[in-house]
Amino acid sequence: EAGVVQSPRYKIIEKKQPVAFWCNPISGHNTLYWYRQNLGQGPELLIRYENEEAVDDSQLPKDRFSAERLKGVDSTLKIQPAELGDSAVYLCASSLVGTGGTDTQYFGPGTRLTVL
Amino acid sequence: AQSVTQLDSQVPVFEEAPVELRCNYSSSVSVYLFWYVQYPNQGLQLLLKYLSGSTLVKGINGFEAEFNKSQTSFHLRKPSVHISDTAEYFCAVSDDRGSTLGRLYFGRGTQLTVWP
Repeated sequence: EAGVVQSPRYKIIEKKQPVAFWCNPISGHNTLYWYRQNLGQGPELLIRYENEEAVDDSQLPKDRFSAERLKGVDSTLKIQPAELGDSAVYLCASSLVGTGGTDTQYFGPGTRLTVL
Repeated sequence: AQSVTQLDSQVPVFEEAPVELRCNYSSSVSVYLFWYVQYPNQGLQLLLKYLSGSTLVKGINGFEAEFNKSQTSFHLRKPSVHISDTAEYFCAVSDDRGSTLGRLYFGRGTQLTVWP
């Protein structure tokens, strides 16, 4: 079974430029998560989708970050414009809907963003 | 909100020695507890999880963890480590409250380094 796929794996941009990350979850998983992992820290949730609906986006900086999950499968996370502090690893995870906290989240390899 | 404290940022041990990685959490509600492992340039992989029932949980790769409600701890143990266990380990907690259903709160991670 294929795991969570993310692209690109690495991205280097200059500040104020836009950037987008793509995630393809495990087939059949209808819950998708985007996390940000700063250097030396644990991941922090940015947004969670159930199918196409963003059900938890309280941690997403909406002035510059946006996300979408068309047709309830693939998802794209965008930053525009990027700032130096956005340098981090962006992780995508997916799970089967169930009793919430008991779902096992399966993580992709992440996209390492460097903003110069 | 939940919070997780991993008391040791780095744990060096020799091969075949036992190891314990400590994790404490704070919560006023029932929680679910997880340990994830992250190898270099890879996503997080679930080692084990506590949902309910027996407080001793066994996971993959010979790891186990014990849930201690009175001490709000969920320490990870392995009786004999291998060099291949060298990785970053993250403790995480979630709850079943509606507003944050499924959100994982991670600790800052513990780097386990196994020396020959």
